Amino acid sequence: NAGVMQNPRHLVRRRGQEARLRCSPMKGHSHVYWYRQLPEEGLKFMVYLQKENIIDESGMPKERFSAEFPKEGPSILRIQQVVRGDSAAYFCASSPAGGLVSYEQFFGPGTRLTVL
Amino acid sequence: GEDVEQSLFLSVREGDSSVINCTYTDSSSTYLYWYKQEPGAGLQLLTYIFSNMDMKQDQRLTVLLNKKDKHLSLRIADTQTGDSAIYFCAESIGGTYKYIFGTGTRLKVLA
Repeated sequence: NAGVMQNPRHLVRRRGQEARLRCSPMKGHSHVYWYRQLPEEGLKFMVYLQKENIIDESGMPKERFSAEFPKEGPSILRIQQVVRGDSAAYFCASSPAGGLVSYEQFFGPGTRLTVL
Repeated sequence: GEDVEQSLFLSVREGDSSVINCTYTDSSSTYLYWYKQEPGAGLQLLTYIFSNMDMKQDQRLTVLLNKKDKHLSLRIADTQTGDSAIYFCAESIGGTYKYIFGTGTRLKVLA
């Protein structure tokens, strides 16, 4: 049973370009979470999605960032017009269920975004 | 605030015990977790503890929880070189999906 998959593992973008990060949850998981880890900091919650629904995006910047989890295909975290401060590791996690009860979240290996 | 604090580095000799400490923030946190991150890999859940417990033991791992001081620790007995990794503590705010992570402690095991 494959774990959570993220691609690309490393992404380099120039300022002003767009970054698209993909996450395929574990088989049977319909809940996806995105976290950002800035250098020397812990992971920070960004957004929680179920299939075709954004449940909680309170940790995601209001501008330039968006996330989706379509009925078919991976979850996508999209960053438009990237700036140097967006350089970070972005982790995706999935769980078989969710809501207000805490379920174990299984993490992917992360995408390291570098903005030049 | 929502800062979970950990010391950044810990170095131990192979065979010794390692103790990694964490101070969390939210007294309503129901679950507290320890994750391990090896180079280039995702976070692997090592163990967790309910807030109504003081201690949990799982093979070489012992978790101690001091709710009064909001202090959590992870003890690894007989530390091996394969234990070298970054260890994150995390709290589940109100027992929900919102995890707050510490900065991580980089454990280096010397042969």
